[in-house]
Amino acid sequence: SQKIEQNSEALNIQEGKTATLTCNYTNYSPAYLQWYRQDPGRGPVFLLLIRENEKEKRKERLKVTFDTTLKQSLFHITASQPADSATYLCALEVTGGGNKLTFGTGTQLKVEL
Amino acid sequence: GAVVSQHPSWVICKSGTSVKIECRSLDFQATTMFWYRQFPKQSLMLMATSNEGSKATYEQGVEKDKFLINHASLTLSTLTVTSAHPEDSSFYICSASVGGSQAEYGYTFGSGTRLTVV
Repeated sequence: SQKIEQNSEALNIQEGKTATLTCNYTNYSPAYLQWYRQDPGRGPVFLLLIRENEKEKRKERLKVTFDTTLKQSLFHITASQPADSATYLCALEVTGGGNKLTFGTGTQLKVEL
Repeated sequence: GAVVSQHPSWVICKSGTSVKIECRSLDFQATTMFWYRQFPKQSLMLMATSNEGSKATYEQGVEKDKFLINHASLTLSTLTVTSAHPEDSSFYICSASVGGSQAEYGYTFGSGTRLTVV
């Protein structure tokens, strides 16, 4: 069966450190992998998109890697700040899938002072 | 940037009544919008794909007669929960894309609607 798995346990890190979140998937061949941030009671906010033929993408303090052999994406936030505290969702979009996104379960990140 | 406005942000209704949720793309035209449902501590689950001028496409297990979707214009899609029951209480979220993932913009989501059926 198809699965998208993210660490279900919350990730607590100290301010200034790098947060690394993992997204693993099985039985998918995604054309695109996306990362979103979701705050409590709000809709997700798009952060980064990486294509199947890309290995890495950066945007300011964010970095995403994509390994289609391992079927894994890593999401890094460098120099983390308390304002980065939120739930982070990875989502897959499959070619020919009608532009539908399938979301992982999300990982809650808490950045402490 | 692209903005999707969703209303209401929360609603409480009595069991057996119907509730309409609106999703508008404010500064772009959206031929396709998506409706999701999210239960506490769980991820977003796609309910249906809303296509302007045609019938919505529902995901497996979603009752189309219960969750009525209308996409009458390029900027407005509505979701009506008919004969709501307490188990329909959830967080409903819509989304749209400016130009698909090819545009590198991802998808823009509304702020969500918290539905509570009492």
